[in-house]
This record gives sequence, C-alpha cells and structure tokens, in this order.
Amino acid sequence: DTEVTQTPKHLVMGMTNKKSLKCEQHMGHRAMYWYKQKAKKPPELMFVYSYEKLSINESVPSRFSPECPNSSLLNLHLHALQPEDSALYLCASSHEGGTEAFFGQGTRLTVV
Amino acid sequence: AQKVTQAQTEISVVEKEDVTLDCVYETRDTTYYLFWYKQPPSGELVFLIRRNSFDEQNEISGRYSWNFQKSTSSFNFTITASQVVDSAVYFCALSDFSGGYNKLIFGAGTRLAVHP
Repeated sequence: DTEVTQTPKHLVMGMTNKKSLKCEQHMGHRAMYWYKQKAKKPPELMFVYSYEKLSINESVPSRFSPECPNSSLLNLHLHALQPEDSALYLCASSHEGGTEAFFGQGTRLTVV
Repeated sequence: AQKVTQAQTEISVVEKEDVTLDCVYETRDTTYYLFWYKQPPSGELVFLIRRNSFDEQNEISGRYSWNFQKSTSSFNFTITASQVVDSAVYFCALSDFSGGYNKLIFGAGTRLAVHP
C-alpha cells in the first residue's frame, strides 16, 4: 500500500479562522513532509519531520504550525492566513532521506 | 548550490510521437539522488523513478526510459509512443547531502500535452 491520505481535499477559510490539514500514511515511513504548491509552480518544501521530530523548517511563517502526533500522522494547523497562502498543500512520506517520497492528493486551500 | 533546470515549459505532441523531457541539475555533492515525478490534473505527484549518483545505467520501464549522464549533469526522460494519458506536468527533482537528503529540490516542471 503506497498511499498517503490527506483530508480535506478542499478547504475555504476566512482570514480569522483556525483550521487543520491532516495527513496519514501506513507505509512505515519515518520521514513526513509538508509542501506548498502555487499554481503553475513546483512544490516548495515547508517542513520535514524525521522520526516524529521537526528536522527542517524552511522559514515558514508562524501562522503555519506543524504537528506530528505519531509516526503515521502529520497535521498542519492554520491560523490567521492571508489570501496569498491560497495554494495546494501536499503531504508526503518516505523512508529516510534519499529515498522516493510518496505524495498525497493534496488539499486545495482558498483563503478569503 | 543545488538547482534543477527544466528548460522546456510546455511541450505539445500528437499521440504516438516520442517525446523527451530535459533535466539539468547542479550540486556540489558527490552523493545525490535524482527523481522524476508526474503530476496529473488531480494534483497528486506520482513517483516515476529514482537514480543515485553512482548508478549511471539507463533505465527502461515500458514506454518510459531515462538517460542519466553525469558528464553533462543531465537526467532526461523519454516517453515512447506517447498517449493522451501521459498528459501531465512532469517534475525532475534532486536531493543531496547538503540538503540532508530529505529536501527535494524541484525543477520548474514541463507541461506535456498529448493530443489525439
């Protein structure tokens, strides 16, 4: 099973809302990732968790807050977002670095 | 510095044509990994292939083939006898030691349109 599941698939939120994106994998991967992808651009890395610890934060604004409750789950908590944060948010997982990452279908986020 | 260049922004072909997607990379590390991903309109990135820097063997998988040449820092992807289902955005990506191997650096992507 090479599946990464993300929920919700679509999300519309206001600038004062708090919401969370969820990601789940059952492949035994110990690295999990959040990427942000704007239209017609490549994915950009936001965060990496390795063995449930945050190992990379690509200088992401604090209005994005990641959480890794266990080795299978990854959340991205959103608060006070701006319209320019509207994008496709992709979760991925892999065995440790250098191996292929498997991506979920993403959450299309619109901030109004 | 790490960089991946996909110079072809968009390619349009007619079904059954062969098409090659170019990828040129930059890294100072001797150990690195290269990847190709396919992104159909649904949004999910689909893993196609991984290559490590010590393995320059070309690979063929069905209609797909990859040509890795360290001398020119290129990792090109060829689709033989293209089909409409091949229409997607294709990304080449790099991970290396300086990025801790967990960081994928993507090229800008090449949008492939295959017409019937």
